Amino acid sequence: SAVISQKPSRDICQRGTSLTIQCQVDSQVTMMFWYRQQPGQSLTLIATANQGSEATYESGFVIDKFPISRPNLTFSTLTVSNMSPEDSSIYLCSVPGQMNTEAFFGQGTRLTVV
Amino acid sequence: GENVEQHPSTLSVQEGDSAVIKCTYSDSASNYFPWYKQELGKGPQLIIDIRSNVGEKKDQRIAVTLNKTAKHFSLHITETQPEDSAVYFCAASDTGSYQLTFGKGTKLSVIP
Repeated sequence: SAVISQKPSRDICQRGTSLTIQCQVDSQVTMMFWYRQQPGQSLTLIATANQGSEATYESGFVIDKFPISRPNLTFSTLTVSNMSPEDSSIYLCSVPGQMNTEAFFGQGTRLTVV
Repeated sequence: GENVEQHPSTLSVQEGDSAVIKCTYSDSASNYFPWYKQELGKGPQLIIDIRSNVGEKKDQRIAVTLNKTAKHFSLHITETQPEDSAVYFCAASDTGSYQLTFGKGTKLSVIP
């Protein structure tokens, strides 16, 4: 499985500010995925980051709030913009496995907005 | 879209006993069913998965069963150990899609 590194691992941010989360993979992957895990909840897909094209967002998530970059096949960033306490969650980066069905996750970024 | 229900939400077992977690799904097109273990402060870790052409799969103390007719699948952990304590998530997807739909998770506590 791929090795996925996320930065930062955690952060405490003031409301109204923005935070950019980085995801680095040790191998080239076509797709990268960003998930949100609200406290005590399951994982919800935010968007799919495609190299060379705009990200595809799921219902309820918009580009203005969660802009995504995908400059190459091993790296992506997710920005959480104009944060409010409701954005306090764990944000997870994921990549598919060789079978293109398995999903492997980074360790997550635990965000607290105060 | 797909909907995955997972039960129970919490489960406590004595060390050495077995644990069973059950999930149901709604989309008959789903054909890939992974299970993840998430320890505190870590990302989900894939522990076992099953595809629709198989009814059961085992890996040491962990097994997964699938009933496509009834649209449910289960995780079985035998001889539980304290290090099995974690939150377990089931998920489902169509192999034509990369998108996984997750259950709400089961917090398993193994009591020494």
